[in-house]
Amino acid sequence: DIVMIQSPLSLPATPGEPATITCRSSQSLLHSNGYNYVDWYLQKPGQSPQLLIYLGYIRASGVPDRFSGSGSGTDFTLKISRVEAGDVGVYYCMQALQSPWTFGQGTKVDIK
Amino acid sequence: EVQLAQSGAEVKKPGDSLKISCTGSGYTFTRSWIGWVRQMPGKALEWLGIFYPGDSDTTYNPSFQGQVTMSADKSINTAYLQWSSLRASDTAMYYCARLGSTPNFFDYWGQGTLVTVSS
Repeated sequence: DIVMIQSPLSLPATPGEPATITCRSSQSLLHSNGYNYVDWYLQKPGQSPQLLIYLGYIRASGVPDRFSGSGSGTDFTLKISRVEAGDVGVYYCMQALQSPWTFGQGTKVDIK
Repeated sequence: EVQLAQSGAEVKKPGDSLKISCTGSGYTFTRSWIGWVRQMPGKALEWLGIFYPGDSDTTYNPSFQGQVTMSADKSINTAYLQWSSLRASDTAMYYCARLGSTPNFFDYWGQGTLVTVSS
């Protein structure tokens, strides 16, 4: 199975400041079609996960442009340009290149 | 509007059988894959597998194959996840989620079904 390692696991964030989460995979997630099969999800407290970013960098419908995804191969990054109070929750990366799809351990973001 | 409505919380005993459901609306049910994701208490998300209601094509996570069964009733736009013999370790929240157009991400999620297995 492809292992997804996120860091940090806990991220105290300051409103208005940027925040960055990284995700490293044990194998390249670059498909022959040129896309990286990595997605990012946010699970807000008490809620179901919601899609933020898919195919490495494409923002899902309705996701603010404060969120951006980047990276290729085995190293990926989710950036929040200006953290807001509503961004708190657990962020997960997930690889969908190879079955079984696997998630990272999650990064808990809270407000300082 | 796409929606996935899951069945309510369940409390079962070890050895019981169980079938939970996920009803899709706002899209053509038979043309999108449905995935199932487990979240044990306080833990990360785990991918159980995916199911295509159009032809019942299924891919299971090998770690869960033989422990759960995915199915669907196309006539009522409902997908199912079932167990024949529950264990205490099956206690978790279970989410269904629809796969997007390029079927490598979950674009809509159900609200989750909490399954508690305790003697």
